[in-house]
Amino acid sequence: ETAVFQTPNYHVTQVGNEVSFNCKQTLGHDTMYWYKQDSKKLLKIMFSYNNKQLIVNETVPRRFSPQSSDKAHLNLRIKSVEPEDSAVYLCASSSRDWGYAEQFFGPGTRLTVL
Amino acid sequence: GDSVTQTEGQVTVSESKSLIINCTYSTTSIAYPNLFWYVRYPGEGLQLLLKVITAGQKGSSRGFEATYNKETTSFHLQKASVQESDSAVYYCALGATGGLSGKLTFGEGTQVTVIS
Repeated sequence: ETAVFQTPNYHVTQVGNEVSFNCKQTLGHDTMYWYKQDSKKLLKIMFSYNNKQLIVNETVPRRFSPQSSDKAHLNLRIKSVEPEDSAVYLCASSSRDWGYAEQFFGPGTRLTVL
Repeated sequence: GDSVTQTEGQVTVSESKSLIINCTYSTTSIAYPNLFWYVRYPGEGLQLLLKVITAGQKGSSRGFEATYNKETTSFHLQKASVQESDSAVYYCALGATGGLSGKLTFGEGTQVTVIS
């Protein structure tokens, strides 16, 4: 099956803990993204990578760090989570490293910070 | 910066009636941004519904249409006759930074519920 896969589906943790989310795409795409969807359902880009190179880094707190081992994987680590990090994190990929090719999204990881 | 504003919150419409979701955009990045509608059906991931990259052109998919209007900076989504299967969350999005980023700016999303 070709798609964007994310693990875990859900994660509940406490303030100050570290969490990691995984994303893998089997679509053969060169570019991958992380988006954050907050409680108001607003979707905002956090990072984009092209062939393991960071392309976009929005004004995201430094406790967030993306990690890419190859162009098919883009993980997200959050050191010392805060309550405002509670959200759904969506991973996406696209076939081109420029312009606006269709982005394919994973199902999301819902993070709850207690 | 870039921003997208669309019909807020929730819209309920009866089956076979028409639907319009308003979307307006603002960008200081480039003159002709690319415009998109994404949709999330219940239990599914976010997926592209339609895309228009040229001002004045219309995109269509699954009975939905949207016209890129540069004069009014709008990209409204319309369907003449909705079905229950159209119940979903719809997102208008703008791609304006160009270059390598492929970055999209999304609107807040509109929950559409079609009732029989």
